[in-house]
Amino acid sequence: DSGVTQTPKHLITATGQRVTLRCSPRSGDLSVYWYQQSLDQGLQFLIQYYNGEERAKGNILERFSAQQFPDLHSELNLSSLELGDSALYFCASSPRTTTYEQYFGPGTRLTVT
Amino acid sequence: EDQVTQSPEALRLQEGESSSLNCSYTVSGLRGLFWYRQDPGKGPEFLFTLYSAGEEKEKERLKATLTKKESFLHITAPKPEDSATYLCAVQGTGAQKLVFGQGTRLTINP
Repeated sequence: DSGVTQTPKHLITATGQRVTLRCSPRSGDLSVYWYQQSLDQGLQFLIQYYNGEERAKGNILERFSAQQFPDLHSELNLSSLELGDSALYFCASSPRTTTYEQYFGPGTRLTVT
Repeated sequence: EDQVTQSPEALRLQEGESSSLNCSYTVSGLRGLFWYRQDPGKGPEFLFTLYSAGEEKEKERLKATLTKKESFLHITAPKPEDSATYLCAVQGTGAQKLVFGQGTRLTINP
């Protein structure tokens, strides 16, 4: 158990819908990262927040957005969902923004039908 | 752009048969190289961080080594419970994100 929690574990929704994925980092960790993992793309970095502020952006679509709240939990919002958005979404946390290992949560499996 | 290539894609070994997994990388200044283990449907589990060429880290049957162009994950006398996908990732200087390879799917037969 990494100490990172994610909810829900599974999510099934229809195309065009909007969903929110939630992540609570390890106690004391200020950085939260979101990744998408699909069979053909592997683990792809989406976005990072540090102590409530956006720090880095990766291959995140404009239909996706995220935020980190004062209690340091984070939410990833996915809207206008398409079939291709079906994937595992992972949250990771680390103590700082620089070279520290990232600890991953158990993931949310999103299925868009 | 930072890149990571892992080989082989899949590896099947007999219990007790030692081997190595390869991670080749290109990065504009290495801040850190990370190894993770991932079981099906689970989140990646952190194993090691390596920072500079010549560094080695060990954990049970696993040993990770680093050169300026690649890293190896050596597995000695593996057991069936070592079966998993092993992921390599790099973080470049000035970068916040990790860039992951596609992984090596390791299967240890009893």
